[in-house]
Amino acid sequence: QLQLQGSGPGLVKPSETLSLTCSVSGGSMSDSTYYWGWIRQPPGKGLEWIGNIYSSGTTFYNPSLESRVTISVDTSKNQFSLRLRSVTAADTAVYYCGRLTPFSRGGYKQPKNDYYYMDVWGKGTTVTVSS
Amino acid sequence: SVLTQSPSVSGAPGQRVTISCTGSSSNIGAGYDVHWYQQLPGTAPKLLIYGDDNRPSGVPDRFSGSKSGTSASLAISGLQAEDEADYYCQSYDDSLSGSYVFGTGTKVTVL
Repeated sequence: QLQLQGSGPGLVKPSETLSLTCSVSGGSMSDSTYYWGWIRQPPGKGLEWIGNIYSSGTTFYNPSLESRVTISVDTSKNQFSLRLRSVTAADTAVYYCGRLTPFSRGGYKQPKNDYYYMDVWGKGTTVTVSS
Repeated sequence: SVLTQSPSVSGAPGQRVTISCTGSSSNIGAGYDVHWYQQLPGTAPKLLIYGDDNRPSGVPDRFSGSKSGTSASLAISGLQAEDEADYYCQSYDDSLSGSYVFGTGTKVTVL
């Protein structure tokens, strides 16, 4: 059974870079069908999509965060990573990593970005931005 | 959030409750699929419905999804105590360069 586990510092100073890694077990990241992504949830608030990456390294980012975000992948380690630059208190959140799977009623040869949903979630990593 | 949900709904055990998710012409109204997630207190979200009305294996058939126009709905029939959770809808929005968008979330309380 596929499992994802995020890891990284729980405390980051304002203006610095938040770095998290997601380790995938119980399956390979090499299947090009899937996206691997990050979603966050500020305390007491809703969910916000951050971005995704294919095993090939192709990325898809939230336009509102794109200028500060980099997602990378290392298929040899079955891991993918998130870097969020110039953080502020507003970036304090639980960060979830997960696998995104495509769905289309009509089938597809190559899935489009809008076909995807997160079907496997990691447990979440709490990150606080504070000096 | 781009998708609007009612903040809370409640019902007695055994009753049926419905959660609505309202979007616009750039997301649900454009025909993009709606997916639903259940978040139990202190845990990660879990996929409940994908592609408007499909249940992953293991999700009870008490949960059902539907979509019409710029809105989607999640119905829970035969409400049980373990259904008390936050529920989020999600779709795709094609404004700007495209993004996945979530609903504001609905807290379901079992009376």
